[in-house]
Amino acid sequence: AQKITQTQPGMFVQEKEAVTLDCTYDTSDQSYGLFWYKQPSSGEMIFLIYQGSYDEQNATEGRYSLNFQKARKSANLVISASQLGDSAMYFCASWGTGRRALTFGSGTRLQVQP
Amino acid sequence: DTGVSQNPRHKITKRGQNVTFRCDPISEHNRLYWYRQTLGQGPEFLTYFQNEAQLEKSRLLSDRFSAERPKGSFSTLEIQRTEQGDSAMYLCASSPGLYTEAFFGQGTRLTVV
Repeated sequence: AQKITQTQPGMFVQEKEAVTLDCTYDTSDQSYGLFWYKQPSSGEMIFLIYQGSYDEQNATEGRYSLNFQKARKSANLVISASQLGDSAMYFCASWGTGRRALTFGSGTRLQVQP
Repeated sequence: DTGVSQNPRHKITKRGQNVTFRCDPISEHNRLYWYRQTLGQGPEFLTYFQNEAQLEKSRLLSDRFSAERPKGSFSTLEIQRTEQGDSAMYLCASSPGLYTEAFFGQGTRLTVV
């Protein structure tokens, strides 16, 4: 079974600074994938970045990067040069072997301050 | 726009009434998922279709809930005899393959009064 833990209910960051959102996962699967989604107040879940368990390099997508530490079972999202539009809920999620649907964490609300 | 489309966006209903939501996935995606999200929580998995076959249902999907995906295209989620605890955002997602990212619609917010 997959379990995703996000321990930061809320985070504040100044505009143009970097911020790290924490995510730890619990799985016995050998093969799995980790995702980060952004949910603005409009409600839509927006895919940001993906890391496969066998990927040797940390994933990057523009200002988003994933700090993947397999031994520690953590997959933290790093947002560089924060923008006001980054204010939203952020969810970590995962697939596991034989698990056809994503399991989500409880989310972190990020607020970017000018 | 060829993203995932959900209708209606908002629904207010009286307790005990039946409601039905519709989801139109991205056309080439054969996998479709329904999730429920309550305030301050992450989405919780309800059910999953591959084409027209419903392959997995969560324990959250009580007997009052039913989902269909006729002909493997759009999907409907029906809730019978709604209860106040059913108030939530219902999210639909589709994906092109197993273990790939899922693309979400904007959700249907249900309020049971």
